[in-house]
Amino acid sequence: SQQGEEDPQALSIQEGENATMNCSYKTSINNLQWYRQNSGRGLVHLILIRSNEREKHSGRLRVTLDTSKKSSSLLITASRAADTASYFCATDRTGGGNKLTFGTGTQLKVEL
Amino acid sequence: SAVISQKPSRDICQRGTSLTIQCQVDSQVTMMFWYRQQPGQSLTLIATANQGSEATYESGFVIDKFPISRPNLTFSTLTVSNMSPEDSSIYLCSVGAQGRETQYFGPGTRLLVL
Repeated sequence: SQQGEEDPQALSIQEGENATMNCSYKTSINNLQWYRQNSGRGLVHLILIRSNEREKHSGRLRVTLDTSKKSSSLLITASRAADTASYFCATDRTGGGNKLTFGTGTQLKVEL
Repeated sequence: SAVISQKPSRDICQRGTSLTIQCQVDSQVTMMFWYRQQPGQSLTLIATANQGSEATYESGFVIDKFPISRPNLTFSTLTVSNMSPEDSSIYLCSVGAQGRETQYFGPGTRLLVL
């Protein structure tokens, strides 16, 4: 399977703490995208990082990309209960025709 | 970003029947894709819906089981044929615009097959 791996599978933290999720993939990519999914509903696009970028910020989100290690991380700072969701990385691999390959996902629970 | 709607939002079906899921976008898009998310799992690409030609299916998915139509640049349907309980999943469409890398997803159709 070409599916990427994410760790941890599940993460439980207290409100106000930071949450870090990691994603590893197998092929060369054009970009890597992070999505959030609440309770089995639709996916919300969070952030996209291109293969020639190393770090990107959006509000409380920070994404890093290391193409030599084929890995990415998503950091959510000052987490809130509303951040409770599943988070998926998805890679648009080189020559893949914009098709996305998803990681296994991380279930984040932020407790009050 | 594109506004994407899917119908139905959920359904409960009997085995052996078929269900057609619709995906409507509020603007013309180049790329449309269909994904499946089995319970507790990640998303798997079923096929790329090509406007004016047959869909391109991923390994493990076939046209007889998942026929797809894409009559124009804003609409596509996915049919889940001859359903079995193993087809119980969330089915999602996604869209991308040429020259723009971000893909946006519809709200999904939650299917339960009894």
